Amino acid sequence: AQRVTQPEKLLSVFKGAPVELKCNYSYSGSPELFWYVQYSRQRLQLLLRHISRESIKGFTADLNKGETSFHLKKPFAQEEDSAMYYCALRGSSASKIIFGSGTRLSIRP
Amino acid sequence: DVKVTQSSRYLVKRTGEKVFLECVQDMDHENMFWYRQDPGLGLRLIYFSYDVKMKEKGDIPEGYSVSREKKERFSLILESASTNQTSMYLCASSLWDQPQHFGDGTRLSIL
Repeated sequence: AQRVTQPEKLLSVFKGAPVELKCNYSYSGSPELFWYVQYSRQRLQLLLRHISRESIKGFTADLNKGETSFHLKKPFAQEEDSAMYYCALRGSSASKIIFGSGTRLSIRP
Repeated sequence: DVKVTQSSRYLVKRTGEKVFLECVQDMDHENMFWYRQDPGLGLRLIYFSYDVKMKEKGDIPEGYSVSREKKERFSLILESASTNQTSMYLCASSLWDQPQHFGDGTRLSIL
């Protein structure tokens, strides 16, 4: 069965500190992994996907198949990074996408 | 830019009513999805559709049905609304192998 686990409901860090949002997944095949972000009063939007291997707003995420993880990282947090972050998975043979329960990131000034 | 439009931002209905939530996308996407978003539970997939008149159950389809008569429109139906269906409902669309685009959401309250 497909499952995405985000163990932290809330993560609070100081501005300028490194950030790591954890995501672990369960899937027997080769999944595609995403990070979505929802800023206050805005719609949910794609932040990055593992196949594009790019950095968006200073965030990166590497797919680790051995550990079945796709953690989101940023070396220096900014106040505008405060938002709700969701990790998501799409299996290789279906269009359906499963989301984790989300982590609320709060950046303290 | 992709536009996914949900017909209502806020909706208040009574227990037992039949409720329709409408979603329209303007980018000719094959796939459309309905999720509900609850604090601590994240997004849970209710139903999705990969073509006109096609539908697949998600993880929590009980109490819901869907309709996709035209490619651009995907409707979520609460057959007999109950208080535990009070939630934020999100519609999304995508091309087959591309990321999803989301609407603004409909906050539904069942009294």
